[in-house]
This record gives sequence, structure tokens and C-alpha cells, in this order.
Amino acid sequence: GQNIDQPTEMTATEGAIVQINCTYQTSGFNGLFWYQQHAGEAPTFLSYNVLDGLEEKGRFSSFLSRSKGYSYLLLKELQMKDSASYLCASSDSNYQLIWGAGTKLIIKP
Amino acid sequence: IAGITQAPTSQILAAGRRMTLRCTQDMRHNAMYWYRQDLGLGLRLIHYSNTAGTTGKGEVPDGYSVSRANTDDFPLTLASAVPSQTSVYFCASSEGGDGNSPLHFGNGTRLTVT
Repeated sequence: GQNIDQPTEMTATEGAIVQINCTYQTSGFNGLFWYQQHAGEAPTFLSYNVLDGLEEKGRFSSFLSRSKGYSYLLLKELQMKDSASYLCASSDSNYQLIWGAGTKLIIKP
Repeated sequence: IAGITQAPTSQILAAGRRMTLRCTQDMRHNAMYWYRQDLGLGLRLIHYSNTAGTTGKGEVPDGYSVSRANTDDFPLTLASAVPSQTSVYFCASSEGGDGNSPLHFGNGTRLTVT
């Protein structure tokens, strides 16, 4: 079966760094997406990885290891506005997205 | 402002009633999608359309139907609502239907079936 695993909830301190992990098992693989979703709002696109390695985009970076079926989202210099859910999604062999349940990130002052 | 508009924002519906959720985009994206989001679960694809005139079934299509008469509009219809269809419904679009293009989401419709 197809499955995406990510922690349900994480807590971090303002100004710190946090890493949100995601493991995936999908029929085929055509890329890994990260989205941010604030409570009561729509998901918004953060990053897309299709090759192994780290992609940096400002305070946010995303890493992919295809051999391990593993990705992480790294958030640096955390701000209160980063409190949100972070959704991991894998594109399978049919280019359909398989979504994780999301990681709720709580930032404390 | 370019984007996706969903209507209504929220709705309470009696079981057995018919309901159409509206979705319109002005980005001229080829592909459009309907997802439902339930607490503790990932987004689940209901139906999709890779281009105007074509539609396909997603992971959870039963009880729902869609049409794609033109590029901009992608309505979702519940023929006879049941309580298990209580959820938040998101419409999304992407430039291509290849699964590698980022999705742009509407603000969602919160539907409660009583």
C-alpha cells in the first residue's frame, strides 16, 4: 500500500531550528512536495524535490533521499507566524499525490 | 487578484439533500482537483480534471460527481448528502496535470451534513 508518515505534532522555540521528517512508501516516485497550512486556511506550496539532496529557499530548506524514502523540511530562525501544519505529499507513478496527515508545529516564545 | 474562488465558504446541509460546491479559477490552469480534508487524515482526492472536457476519479469518488465544461469552472456535486460527507472541501488547480506542478488551493468549503 501507499503510505506517508510524519509526526503529528512538534513544538519549538522562537528563533530556533526545527526539522520535520517525512517517510514515504508509494508505487513509483515522481517527486516530494511540502505545503504549509495555517489553521482554517488553504495549504500553500513550499517546496518540491525530485532529486536527492538539499534545496534551500530562504529560511526553509527541504531534503530528499530517494533510496531511503525520506524527506525533511528544515525551518530556521523560527518566527511565531511559522506556527502551522506542514503537509508532506509524494507523487506516485501515476502522478497522483499521496498526502501525509500533516505535522502541527507549535512555536513558543 | 488571480487565484481560486470557492463558494459557499460554509454550509449546513440536511442528509439526503443535493448540493453543488462551486470552484472557479482565473489562472488558466489546465488541471483542477477536488480534495476533502478530515481531522487526522491526509488530503484525499475526490475527482480531478487534467483539461477541460475530461474528468477522472480519485481515491474517494463515491457519492460525488464533477463536470469540466470550460477551463475556469469545476463544480463538485453531492447528489444525496450523507453525514460521512461532513468535511472541509478544497478545490485546487495546477498549470499541468503531470503531478509535478505545485497545487494552488482555494480557501475551502466547510460542509456539515446533519
